[in-house]
Amino acid sequence: AQSVAQPEDQVNVAEGNPLTVKCTYSVSGNPYLFWYVQYPNRGLQFLLKYITGDNLVKGSYGFEAEFNKSQTSFHLKKPSALVSDSALYFCAVRPDTGRRALTFGSGTRLQVQP
Amino acid sequence: NAGVTQTPKFRILKIGQSMTLQCAQDMNHNYMYWYRQDPGMGLKLIYYSVGAGITDKGEVPNGYNVSRSTTEDFPLRLELAAPSQTSVYFCASNGKAGIFSYNEQFFGPGTRLTVL
Repeated sequence: AQSVAQPEDQVNVAEGNPLTVKCTYSVSGNPYLFWYVQYPNRGLQFLLKYITGDNLVKGSYGFEAEFNKSQTSFHLKKPSALVSDSALYFCAVRPDTGRRALTFGSGTRLQVQP
Repeated sequence: NAGVTQTPKFRILKIGQSMTLQCAQDMNHNYMYWYRQDPGMGLKLIYYSVGAGITDKGEVPNGYNVSRSTTEDFPLRLELAAPSQTSVYFCASNGKAGIFSYNEQFFGPGTRLTVL
């Protein structure tokens, strides 16, 4: 069975500073990895995905994530945080074969202070 | 395209009542999913469907039923509501990309359900 761990319930960062939201995963076979963002009272919005190829994946709103197979990690990053980035971020994984449903982490709340 | 739509947005049920949460998508996606999100938790898969007429259980199916008579619609039925079913319910869909099916899932806005 696959699993996702987001070790930080909340990440606080000052506007303009770089941010990192951590994610580690466990899956049989090759992983397909995703990051989603959720704003208050909204559904989840897709940010980026890793399927294969370059370990550094670029996504929406200036976010990027680095896939590290040896550390089974897929950390979300942004060089310069904005107050509007404050939201709940979810990492998700599924194997490259079999059932296509995602397994989600418990989420990390990002708070960007002005 | 409207994407994934869900109705109602909010609902309060009494213990033992029944209701159906509606979900529809207009993207001709084969795959559809129902998740629940409890406070401070990630999403848990309730049921999913790989096409019309085909459904299967996810991680937390007890107390729920689904049907998929058309590609567009994937309703979730609660037969005897219990307080443990108080949650936010999200419907999602995705489609096949050529020989691969790794497209991201598109989510509806959610239904906030309270059972008292």
